[in-house]
Amino acid sequence: GENVEQHPSTLSVQEGDSAVIKCTYSDSASNYFPWYKQELGKGPQLIIDIRSNVGEKKDQRIAVTLNKTAKHFSLHITETQPEDSAVYFCAAERNSGNTPLVFGKGTRLSVIA
Amino acid sequence: KAGVTQTPRYLIKTRGQQVTLSCSPISGHRSVSWYQQTPGQGLQFLFEYFSETQRNKGNFPGRFSGRQFSNSRSEMNVSTLELGDSALYLCASSVDRAEKLFFGSGTQLSVL
Repeated sequence: GENVEQHPSTLSVQEGDSAVIKCTYSDSASNYFPWYKQELGKGPQLIIDIRSNVGEKKDQRIAVTLNKTAKHFSLHITETQPEDSAVYFCAAERNSGNTPLVFGKGTRLSVIA
Repeated sequence: KAGVTQTPRYLIKTRGQQVTLSCSPISGHRSVSWYQQTPGQGLQFLFEYFSETQRNKGNFPGRFSGRQFSNSRSEMNVSTLELGDSALYLCASSVDRAEKLFFGSGTQLSVL
């Protein structure tokens, strides 16, 4: 089955700097890769996703890149703000419609003002 | 549009008891997934229901079970609770497949 590794487990950046979180997956048939943000006391919230037919996707300050050959994808947050502090999860899914999302173990991002 | 609602928010049980958690998905969503979240293991998939049928099941013992009703609301049950079942249980709904999940705030279960 699918296995998703996520690094780093914790990340501290100064406000205004960029943050990068990386994930690798094992199942070459996976073709859907979402990222979730979880704030304290809340459930994870989808912030961006990418499908395997696209190499990069951007939404304002956040972007995701995908390298299918190397089986890894990354989340990039630019101009970080204190409200970006949260736990971020990557996930992967084989897009057959009948398999669940498999999540990485999460990255705790702290943005220091 | 109301989000995913999970009840109760907090539960305290003792070993050997059983517990039922409830999840009301977003209106129009037919898929409901359940995840267990612990600090050490992250988000572990329990099961997914679609149109009242279990479509997928994770690697959890048979003490963990669930069901989905005709209105898409879902319940999960854990019998013979163990200390290791202490976790945040998250429910997520989606339109018709296990992607673009919308999560509830979870039920925090503590087993003493």
